[in-house]
Amino acid sequence: QSVLTQPPSASGTPGQRVTISCSGSSSNIGSNKVAWYQQFPGTAPRLLIYSNDQRPSAVPDRFSGSKSGTSASLAISGLQSQDEADYYCAAWDDSLNGPGVFGGGTKLTVL
Amino acid sequence: EVQLVESGGGLVQPGGSLRLSCAASGFTFRSYAMHWVRQAPGKGLELVAAISSNGNTTYYANSVKGRFTISRDNSKNTLYLQVGSLRAEDRAVYYCARGSIAVVAGIWHMDVWGKGTTVIVSS
Repeated sequence: QSVLTQPPSASGTPGQRVTISCSGSSSNIGSNKVAWYQQFPGTAPRLLIYSNDQRPSAVPDRFSGSKSGTSASLAISGLQSQDEADYYCAAWDDSLNGPGVFGGGTKLTVL
Repeated sequence: EVQLVESGGGLVQPGGSLRLSCAASGFTFRSYAMHWVRQAPGKGLELVAAISSNGNTTYYANSVKGRFTISRDNSKNTLYLQVGSLRAEDRAVYYCARGSIAVVAGIWHMDVWGKGTTVIVSS
């Protein structure tokens, strides 16, 4: 059971906009910044979003992040087949759950 | 090129120990916090341990506290994870990752990852 809650799966068609949610609590998302990672099978994760809504320079602007209260979202616009991957949210946790916690991951399927 | 290369994984019996290493290159190692993140087969990501840039502060997941020790040698650009009292549930790919930890500001993320080293715990 992960500390941060994500839907196990999401899907969309090419060109669509898809959002993935991440729900936490006051000790993690509510008081700390959220990061998002993309992972393809058999490879290491890649940082997509940090500090809630900041994108590393190599990440396309089709990816965006937001946070409100104890929840966060990752949005992918103009969905492409190569976006099919697992996505994880993460945040520091100030409680005994910590130090850093991840969501259980969302498998994104491009139909 | 910024690179992290893990080594030291392998097959170990329950109760055994290993030392994982992560060789860093292409950046100023001593300027960054470093992490070990693991992923059990078919499962999600778990932060195992983290260490501040100067090595003075360490953080551990509850699941490994007292059994694993993270350390670094900034003169050798190398991160270590001593894993002991291993259990079947410690079987995973262990990733080394560079990142930022600023607890007061609530900032935590990892921007460079190695390819991982696999630990299998079995008799």
